[in-house]
Amino acid sequence: QVQLVQSGAEVKEPGASVKVSCRASGYTFSIYYMHWVRQAPGQGLEWMGMINPSGGSTSYAQKFQGRVTMTRDTSTSTVYMEMSSLRSEDTAVYYCARGGSGWYGEYDYWGQGTLVTVSS
Amino acid sequence: DIQMTQSPSSLSASVGDRVTITCRASQGISDYLAWFQQKPGKAPKSLIYAASRLHSGVPSKFSGDRSGTDFTLTISSLQPEDVATYYCQQYSSDPRTFGQGTKVEVK
Repeated sequence: QVQLVQSGAEVKEPGASVKVSCRASGYTFSIYYMHWVRQAPGQGLEWMGMINPSGGSTSYAQKFQGRVTMTRDTSTSTVYMEMSSLRSEDTAVYYCARGGSGWYGEYDYWGQGTLVTVSS
Repeated sequence: DIQMTQSPSSLSASVGDRVTITCRASQGISDYLAWFQQKPGKAPKSLIYAASRLHSGVPSKFSGDRSGTDFTLTISSLQPEDVATYYCQQYSSDPRTFGQGTKVEVK
């Protein structure tokens, strides 16, 4: 069965960086795009960007350009989302979601979420 | 960016009621519209894609429809386990955008 398992909660100080992982299993990793979505406390869902696990190409929301980097490790079927220059507004739950096999595919499976808290 | 306007922001209905949530896109997105259900403290769950296709395992009480740039999610008979916040999302173009969510409660 398809599973997306994310890394554990993080607490970071303002200005620091965080790297969240999402390990996939139960399917051929390179076929399906992976997306990252975040949710601030009490707020809605916000798309951050996506990565093609096959070639590593990425697309980021303008808001996160220059501050977010998405990478993958095909040997461990893991995608990573790294965010730098953290500020309090980045406190949120970060989710990975499996997209389709094409650039504009729908999500079917979600990770359990990773809470990132930014606080001094 | 494509704006997704969801309504209502919240609703309260009785068990057995038919419930409809609407999502309007600011421009044409064809059928590239998905619906998600999120229960408190949980990750979102994918319900519907391509405006009207149910993901595997999703009960048939959920249905989706499209009329131009207006999309609807309908729960045919509301049950206590359907209490959640529902979100739409367009995946026609980047950035993918979500509606602001509809919180569904049972009276």
